Amino acid sequence: DSGVTQTPKHLITATGQRVTLRCSPRSGDLSVYWYQQSLDQGLQFLIQYYNGEERAKGNILERFSAQQFPDLHSELNLSSLELGDSALYFCASSVGTGGLIGNSPLHFGNGTRLTVT
Amino acid sequence: SQQGEEDPQALSIQEGENATMNCSYKTSINNLQWYRQNSGRGLVHLILIRSNEREKHSGRLRVTLDTSKKSSSLLITASRAADTASYFCATPPPGGTSYGKLTFGQGTILTVHP
Repeated sequence: DSGVTQTPKHLITATGQRVTLRCSPRSGDLSVYWYQQSLDQGLQFLIQYYNGEERAKGNILERFSAQQFPDLHSELNLSSLELGDSALYFCASSVGTGGLIGNSPLHFGNGTRLTVT
Repeated sequence: SQQGEEDPQALSIQEGENATMNCSYKTSINNLQWYRQNSGRGLVHLILIRSNEREKHSGRLRVTLDTSKKSSSLLITASRAADTASYFCATPPPGGTSYGKLTFGQGTILTVHP
């Protein structure tokens, strides 16, 4: 058990809808990362938050947004969903300060499987 | 585009055999990490090797890093059926001033037959 909790585990929704994915990081970790995993794109970094502030952005669509709350849990909001958004969405956390995070291993949750029909 | 590329894409072996996976990357790195992913589950960190290290061991795992060739290998010795998983190498962005954005390769799917 990584200590990172993601809910829900599965989500099925229709095109055009909006969903919210939730992540509770490992106790003591200040950084939260969101990744998308799909068959064609592999694992893609979306966004990172450190102690409530956005720290890095990757290939995140404008239809997607995220935030980290004072209790350090994070939410990823996906709107105007398209069929191509179907994927596994992972949250990860690390103790790293957000500087040289490559020196802090990431701890992943088990993901939310999103299916857009 | 992917920073790390694993080779082979798939590997099938018998229990007790060794499994070797390779990773190549394109730019300078501070470190390289290996992760394992069981089907449908989250990734699990296996080992981190820093750019000034050439070899690192952890249990049945041995990782090498050759910065001149921009490549790394992961060796799993005496494999077990439970080692069946996908294995990914991951690197931080070049320059060492990362604020996240760990880049993963496409992974090697390892199947260990009992």
